[in-house]
Amino acid sequence: GAVVSQHPSWVICKSGTSVKIECRSLDFQATTMFWYRQFPKQSLMLMATSNEGSKATYEQGVEKDKFLINHASLTLSTLTVTSAHPEDSSFYICSARGPAGGSANTGELFFGEGSRLTVL
Amino acid sequence: AQSVTQPDIHITVSEGASLELRCNYSYGATPYLFWYVQSPGQGLQLLLKYFSGDTLVQGIKGFEAEFKRSQSSFNLRKPSVHWSDAAEYFCAVGPRAAGNKLTFGGGTRVLVKP
Repeated sequence: GAVVSQHPSWVICKSGTSVKIECRSLDFQATTMFWYRQFPKQSLMLMATSNEGSKATYEQGVEKDKFLINHASLTLSTLTVTSAHPEDSSFYICSARGPAGGSANTGELFFGEGSRLTVL
Repeated sequence: AQSVTQPDIHITVSEGASLELRCNYSYGATPYLFWYVQSPGQGLQLLLKYFSGDTLVQGIKGFEAEFKRSQSSFNLRKPSVHWSDAAEYFCAVGPRAAGNKLTFGGGTRVLVKP
């Protein structure tokens, strides 16, 4: 249980286009999801907290107009990289707090497989 | 502000040898502690976690970690590594209160020699 899936796993796009990445909790409802960015050989950097039915909370330094987050349902959060540029190329990973009553209360997060974005 | 330090960026170990990955944290109170493993191009998989109780926790794949409050450490160990253990390992801390915003260490890349 507690599986998180991302799609697409990799995407290549032209500079100036927008790209949407989906994060789904497959077997549980996730009111809160998190989006991370990871540069090669580096750690994960939290970009934003996605809350179902409300606006996302962005970390300092993350452009909210650049990285649009929508959490329209309890099983889906999307990250849209708008007007992508080569410097946006990165590995984007989402995570979700586990099912209520279980790991949701103990801080454990479940991670998607990640989505590699390459902007040409 | 909380922080997590993994002093070793790379570790090379022979297959069958023991492995220890260091993790030190700075936090206002006792946090939740985690170790995750990441294979190339993949997401993160939880190895083990510490919330309370016994300070020696057992995880998957034969890993264990020991929480030492006095040293603010949560080191990961494995008695005998396998070639499949080659990966990136991340230590993370998070608040006991709601929020689950994890802070990750910089990661330690483990290379296993035959």
